[in-house]
Amino acid sequence: QQPVQSPQAVILREGEDAVINCSSSKALYSVHWYRQKHGEAPVFLMILLKGGEQKGHDKISASFNEKKQQSSLYLTASQLSYSGTYFCGTSVIQGAQKLVFGQGTRLTINP
Amino acid sequence: DGGITQSPKYLFRKEGQNVTLSCEQNLNHDAMYWYRQDPGQGLRLIYYSQIVNDFQKGDIAEGYSVSREKKESFPLTVTSAQKNPTAFYLCASDDSLGYNEQFFGPGTRLTVL
Repeated sequence: QQPVQSPQAVILREGEDAVINCSSSKALYSVHWYRQKHGEAPVFLMILLKGGEQKGHDKISASFNEKKQQSSLYLTASQLSYSGTYFCGTSVIQGAQKLVFGQGTRLTINP
Repeated sequence: DGGITQSPKYLFRKEGQNVTLSCEQNLNHDAMYWYRQDPGQGLRLIYYSQIVNDFQKGDIAEGYSVSREKKESFPLTVTSAQKNPTAFYLCASDDSLGYNEQFFGPGTRLTVL
């Protein structure tokens, strides 16, 4: 079952913050976050494993709420380079990652 | 440098023809994946392989076939049975441990004329 991402699209000014949510109807083992520029391959941002940990690097971080079967991606003080479509990919079992991706959230950062 | 290569970048096909998309990786990864992406949509899994000479259907395998004769290679054939093959195709690989990233190739854009 495909995870649901919200919002579908968001427009920000440079320096503003954004939160992208990814919700599943199934118990999750892991959540992957990727960013894709138009016509390019997705680029890995981070992975969160069962256990509710939070991760981050630079000004991008994410959390994983196991009980709610939800992950959130936080982008603070957004930069122009953050523009793109963000996808979450979820897996329900440990091991080979047969990921199911959400429909994506299009983020536009304006100067 | 290690990575995943896909060829060709753009591919045009006439209706009724089979076409094979190439995917090669030199990351020594056990698992490889094929995804299809339609405009404004997420990635949908076509086939995946966890080990040489073995592969499993993903969510949208109808009209596609794959082989995994070598660890480095996982070609995808789009057959004439695929009703709407025009899409962006992405190949990916990982180490099959369940907690590391999937690496993606640059993609092949297939257009059926």
